[in-house]
Amino acid sequence: KAGVTQTPRYLIKTRGQQVTLSCSPISGHRSVSWYQQTPGQGLQFLFEYFSETQRNKGNFPGRFSGRQFSNSRSEMNVSTLELGDSALYLCASNTGLRGELFFGEGSRLTVL
Amino acid sequence: GESVGLHLPTLSVQEGDNSIINCAYSNSASDYFIWYKQESGKGPQFIIDIRSNMDKRQGQRVTVLLNKTVKHLSLQIAATQPGDSAVYFCAEIEGGSARQLTFGSGTQLTVLP
Repeated sequence: KAGVTQTPRYLIKTRGQQVTLSCSPISGHRSVSWYQQTPGQGLQFLFEYFSETQRNKGNFPGRFSGRQFSNSRSEMNVSTLELGDSALYLCASNTGLRGELFFGEGSRLTVL
Repeated sequence: GESVGLHLPTLSVQEGDNSIINCAYSNSASDYFIWYKQESGKGPQFIIDIRSNMDKRQGQRVTVLLNKTVKHLSLQIAATQPGDSAVYFCAEIEGGSARQLTFGSGTQLTVLP
């Protein structure tokens, strides 16, 4: 069974630009969560989607948004990029029930 | 929200020795805890979980202990191997249907030859 796939793995943007990251969950998993990982703040929850609906949201500004498609694939978007948005963005999927999350390898975003 | 913290940022052990990684949490409403391992350049990998109605759970070479009285969690790794070198995170989920994990800051485990 294929794992969680995130694209792109690495990208460089400049301040003010926007970025879209993609996540394909494990087949059969309907829940997709996004996390931001930085050396200073660690792993922080962004949001969770289940059956195309945002079910939970972390404490991030409105520049961070996401969506989920009918095939459970998810995208997250960050608009008006700031230097502090440089981070590893991790996507995780699970069946939707409480339990372990399966993480992808992440998308490393560098904002210059 | 509540935070999950770790006692030590780094831990070095000799190959073959046992490792103990500690974690303190402050949210009394948390009822599910997970340990993750993250190797360099990779996403976190599930190791073991424990629910609040348990105080010990064992896996392959790993044991998680939960002390709700002092809000403390530990991960014990038996016969530590070079492949165990990684950052270890504890994470908690508050009671209810949420799947939002609150992660600790992580402990870097280094296995010495």
